[in-house]
Amino acid sequence: QSALTQPPSASGSPGQSITISCTGTSSDVGGYNYVSWYQQHPGKAPKLMIYEVSKRPSGVPDRFSGSKSGNTASLTVSGLQAEDEADYYCTSYAGSDNLVFGGGTKLTVL
Amino acid sequence: EVQLVESGGGLVQPGRSLRLSCAASGFTFGDYAMHWVRQAPGKGLEWVASISWNSGRLAYADSVKGRFTISRDNAKNSLYLQMNSLRPEDTALYYCAKASPGLGHPLDYWGQGTLVTVSS
Repeated sequence: QSALTQPPSASGSPGQSITISCTGTSSDVGGYNYVSWYQQHPGKAPKLMIYEVSKRPSGVPDRFSGSKSGNTASLTVSGLQAEDEADYYCTSYAGSDNLVFGGGTKLTVL
Repeated sequence: EVQLVESGGGLVQPGRSLRLSCAASGFTFGDYAMHWVRQAPGKGLEWVASISWNSGRLAYADSVKGRFTISRDNAKNSLYLQMNSLRPEDTALYYCAKASPGLGHPLDYWGQGTLVTVSS
């Protein structure tokens, strides 16, 4: 149950696009199409942004998209807005009802 | 409106026990798997445990296996986490979260958390 690997930080200017990576193993990210992404603003509970690699829950802007290749999943935020500044966490199903989180990426909107 | 309200956190000495509760409302609690996720101060999210809708399947992170027990009472719409042999590294904000029907347990609703501090 090793944590998934995310870059600690990412940044972009308003209107730009950024991509956050999430690297695991064949036992989690690579083994299942069950990667989710969460957004967490300071002092708030996490919010589900992407599930099953690329699906968006109702209400999540289509500026947020997800993808996966091999053992690495990615979250792309297009048309960056000030309110997108937050911490982002990936998580993957790891079998037998286990989940594993990434270490988190702090997104700064310049 | 879905609501998850955690309670039971507090300051506890190393080696002691604590029981967290999560009161659920706004959805049919007994239909969904539930999870506990924690976040140490200034740190990232860490999955702790999960329980299936009928308590038939339980899963734990290696870091808490053998010390923590997840349970639920569907008649009371409540989720629990019994934490024994607490360690300073268990200090964290503990969230309960509902798993959506989607495969792979995406967590679509979270509570606001209850803070557990393990210190002498």
